Amino acid sequence: ELQLVQSGAEVKKPGESLKISCKGSGYSFTTYWIGWVRQMPGKGLEWMGIIYFGDSNTKYSPSFQGQVTISADRSISTAYLQWSSLEASDTAMYYCAGARNGNYFWDVWGQGTTVTVSS
Amino acid sequence: EIVMTQSPATLSVSPGESATLSCRASQSVRRDLAWYLQKPGQSPRLLIYGASTRATGIPARFSGSGSGTEFTLTISSLQSEDFAIYYCQQYHSWLTFGGGTKVEIK
Repeated sequence: ELQLVQSGAEVKKPGESLKISCKGSGYSFTTYWIGWVRQMPGKGLEWMGIIYFGDSNTKYSPSFQGQVTISADRSISTAYLQWSSLEASDTAMYYCAGARNGNYFWDVWGQGTTVTVSS
Repeated sequence: EIVMTQSPATLSVSPGESATLSCRASQSVRRDLAWYLQKPGQSPRLLIYGASTRATGIPARFSGSGSGTEFTLTISSLQSEDFAIYYCQQYHSWLTFGGGTKVEIK
């Protein structure tokens, strides 16, 4: 069974860059889509984008297109979410989630990475 | 973008009673609908997919129904661990979550 482990909490200043990670283990990662979900403090869940590990095909939610970059390194079974210039409004919990290719319901979740952006 | 609307926003239920949560899509999503549970401080957990299929390890007291634009999640005989926030999510056209329903102890 696939397991996802995310990188630790981050505290950054506005304008700084950041790359957080989501490492998979226990299953063939290449047959999975990995998605990123944002949860702002006290709010609901929002899809940011997804990447297919088999060929790195990436799709973004319109709200996040151009705001973040999703990538993956198949050699180490790790997906990434990165920002080039953080804003205070990026303060949130970020979850990665996994779905087997052909399905788009997400049955594996990482533990979440808290990102705090404050001057 | 397909908009998912959940109701009610908050549902107060006594332990042992049943709860019915609703999810409406702004256009048909056929049966491409999943339900998730999120407890405070935890990651979401998949409960239901394909509108009515329970995910691995999910107790039979959770049941999903519906198709097209109207969906329901029913939790029979609520247990203490069921008090949480529930989200529906369509995956027919891209991915969108509903705003969530908080099930709280009455």
